[in-house]
Amino acid sequence: RKEVEQDPGPFNVPEGATVAFNCTYSNSASQSFFWYRQDCRKEPKLLMSVYSSGNEDGRFTAQLNRASQYISLLIRDSKLSDSATYLCVVNIGSTGRRALTFGSGTRLQVQP
Amino acid sequence: EAQVTQNPRYLITVTGKKLTVTCSQNMNHEYMSWYRQDPGLGLRQIYYSMNVEVTDKGDVPEGYKVSRKEKRNFPLILESPSPNQTSLYFCASRWDNRNTEAFFGQGTRLTVV
Repeated sequence: RKEVEQDPGPFNVPEGATVAFNCTYSNSASQSFFWYRQDCRKEPKLLMSVYSSGNEDGRFTAQLNRASQYISLLIRDSKLSDSATYLCVVNIGSTGRRALTFGSGTRLQVQP
Repeated sequence: EAQVTQNPRYLITVTGKKLTVTCSQNMNHEYMSWYRQDPGLGLRQIYYSMNVEVTDKGDVPEGYKVSRKEKRNFPLILESPSPNQTSLYFCASRWDNRNTEAFFGQGTRLTVV
């Protein structure tokens, strides 16, 4: 079983739609959680950190459910520029070896 | 400008010919790592370094070496590349290995024939 699992998609949605991505992680000792965005063949970039209380940044809302080991990302009012792959990322491991572990990514295509 | 710089961006080489991919960061970050990205597998950590002269294996270290002689540089060495090392490689740096953002280089697309 992968440590971080995501639906690969693609999710094809019209402009203006609301879309939600989910991610599950297997290690209950995971310490911190992130969503990264990766455009085709480019480097991943931090979209937002995910906090236990949930957090929002403009059209983006991230939620964490530690009991279910589940992370979500909600995008409202989708724009063409939101088309990308969204990577769920978890900080896993012991103190000295805590490493970012990446899901395989969920591809989003926003259509006009 | 804060950045992580990788070179080269693209490389085609032959099996067995040693190569080095360079990585440099200008943010004074302690923690640096190398990842490879393959379709359907996501990014997998190859090696990481928590500081100068401190390196350790990640999840897929076979066939790779690294060094960290200076804080800013973290080269990835393939002593004898093989076709299964054809991949997209990313170098990343972070302030530490806790809850801080990772900054990535632009990637190196390596093809081994």
